Amino acid sequence: SQQGEEDPQALSIQEGENATMNCSYKTSINNLQWYRQNSGRGLVHLILIRSNEREKHSGRLRVTLDTSKKSSSLLITASRAADTASYFCATGANFGNEKLTFGTGTRLTIIP
Amino acid sequence: GAGVSQSPSNKVTEKGKDVELRCDPISGHTALYWYRQRLGQGLEFLIYFQGNSAPDKSGLPSDRFSAERTGESVSTLTIQRTQQEDSAVYLCASSFGGQGVEKLFFGSGTQLSVL
Repeated sequence: SQQGEEDPQALSIQEGENATMNCSYKTSINNLQWYRQNSGRGLVHLILIRSNEREKHSGRLRVTLDTSKKSSSLLITASRAADTASYFCATGANFGNEKLTFGTGTRLTIIP
Repeated sequence: GAGVSQSPSNKVTEKGKDVELRCDPISGHTALYWYRQRLGQGLEFLIYFQGNSAPDKSGLPSDRFSAERTGESVSTLTIQRTQQEDSAVYLCASSFGGQGVEKLFFGSGTQLSVL
């Protein structure tokens, strides 16, 4: 079963607008990561936030983590057509279990 | 090579045949993962190797699926007596490992089609 559930499943916005995706998870985590996937093949790591962090930035990306609500959000500012892709959250727990568990993904479409 | 390499990139097979998928991780990465992704779905964990430890096979869907890894190098995922529901993209990823789950580097995947 999936640990993470992304919301919304699909999102379409105009180029230049901000895109926000949310992820909820069920069990305790060590870190939470966001990945991007183009064309249904390999995933690319975007950002990692640890369980003791609340917010992290990388370029146009901003990630927040609320461990009390077991949720995270990914904000992409000033979106570009090249941001069109599927975005997945993934949770890692090093409590004797090092597999990274992925959510169901959000399909983001940027309209030029 | 600089990245994770998977072969073949595409494989078409007949139902009932065996297939073998290969993954070459990034040199120096001790952790190696296999995931399966059906069309339009998320990633389904299959198996995880970390150094010389016993692999975590908890995600393998049936005994038709098996995987091996020689040391900290190449891994092969074998599917015996393939079924149509095995059709999916099989993704391999590697990481430095050993310190909890960190950033994964993914290959481009093998698209498996079972006719």
